[in-house]
Amino acid sequence: EVQVMESGGGLVQPGGSLRLSCAASGFAFGNYAMTWVRQAPGKGLEWVSVITGLSDNTHYADSVRGRFTISRDNSKNTVSLQMNGLRAEDTAVYYCVKGKSGSRFDGLGVWGRGTTVIVSS
Amino acid sequence: DIVMTQSPDSLAVSLGERASINCKSSQSILSSSNNNNYLGWYQQKPGQPPRLLIYWASTRESGVPERFSGSGSGTDFTLTISSLQAEDVAVYYCHQYHSLPFTFGPGTKVDIK
Repeated sequence: EVQVMESGGGLVQPGGSLRLSCAASGFAFGNYAMTWVRQAPGKGLEWVSVITGLSDNTHYADSVRGRFTISRDNSKNTVSLQMNGLRAEDTAVYYCVKGKSGSRFDGLGVWGRGTTVIVSS
Repeated sequence: DIVMTQSPDSLAVSLGERASINCKSSQSILSSSNNNNYLGWYQQKPGQPPRLLIYWASTRESGVPERFSGSGSGTDFTLTISSLQAEDVAVYYCHQYHSLPFTFGPGTKVDIK
């Protein structure tokens, strides 16, 4: 069964850092792009970042560029999101999503259940 | 950035009736190189993560009931539920993956009348 599972969420003070991880199983991980999408409380979906299967391309939403870094370890079937300089507006459920293919220009196929990040003093 | 809009914001449909949701992109998301529309539709039920229903604007994801269909091209797209079932109560989002940064529509809430 194809699965992705996020971890690492929590409460952090403004300006702080947090590292989210996503463990994948049930598919050839290195062949697929991986994406982070977030959802603020009671709000819609916001695309955050994507990394291609071989890590040759990464992209970010304007709202997080320069503060967040996406990376992956294909030997461990994991993708991570390093979040620095956190702001209150980063408070959200963060979803890890398996792409439909290795291309970043494709649909978002399998979603994890999400991990909650709360930025507050 | 490509802005995605959806209409209506919400709709209530009787069981067994048709529900249609519109999605419009601020720029064409049709690729001239492969004639694909880079659009997906997602369903999110309360307390659950989103689920992919449709990709390439009209290709149904494996396991998605046939009552869900997608249509449209260029900048105007529609998700149709041909016969609404109780389990279809959810928020539906469109998503463009043609141009970075990728973007979602604001969502349309579907309820039972």
